[in-house]
Amino acid sequence: SQTIHQWPATLVQPVGSPLSLECTVEGTSNPNLYWYRQAAGRGLQLLFYSVGIGQISSEVPQNLSASRPQDRQFILSSKKLLLSDSGFYLCAWNRDHKSRVSGNTIYFGEGSWLTVV
Amino acid sequence: GQNIDQPTEMTATEGAIVQINCTYQTSGFNGLFWYQQHAGEAPTFLSYNVLDGLEEKGRFSSFLSRSKGYSYLLLKELQMKDSASYLCAVRDLRGGSYIPTFGRGTSLIVHP
Repeated sequence: SQTIHQWPATLVQPVGSPLSLECTVEGTSNPNLYWYRQAAGRGLQLLFYSVGIGQISSEVPQNLSASRPQDRQFILSSKKLLLSDSGFYLCAWNRDHKSRVSGNTIYFGEGSWLTVV
Repeated sequence: GQNIDQPTEMTATEGAIVQINCTYQTSGFNGLFWYQQHAGEAPTFLSYNVLDGLEEKGRFSSFLSRSKGYSYLLLKELQMKDSASYLCAVRDLRGGSYIPTFGRGTSLIVHP
């Protein structure tokens, strides 16, 4: 079976400090990978998605970046955090982006709570 | 771009039925998801519709009308544990990939 893990689960970082959130998927190959952010009381905002190693698409201009160094690893980074970067970050995966038939259900990691102070 | 609308908050009584609506405007539509998210937790999958009509799964049902850009999630025999946020997500074509975009979610409060 497939599993997805992300860490750390919670972190408190000062403004201007760097950030690194890591996500790995097990039990599948060539997954689509996503990073979402959810501010308090808000919906899920898609930040980045990747359909393959080294392929990153950015949805929202910001001071965050993403990388996919291995097939099942997705990393969210920042060189200098802002207060507005606080929120609940979710990594997610699904299969076969080109399929129009299957549901391609998205599965989420446990989430990472980031508080920038 | 995508535009997904759903009510911000709804309240209902335990044992009742509630319908949560979602409207969307998008191009290259390829399916609509409903997810449930309890406070502080990751969303969990409820349903997926790609063709028009009603999909029933236990106490939960989801309906889709592609021509109207409209879906609803129907929850029957409400229980207290159904208090959660319900997220509508549309899968559409972007840059050659089918990418899911989520609405802001509807916070459902079930009271005794």
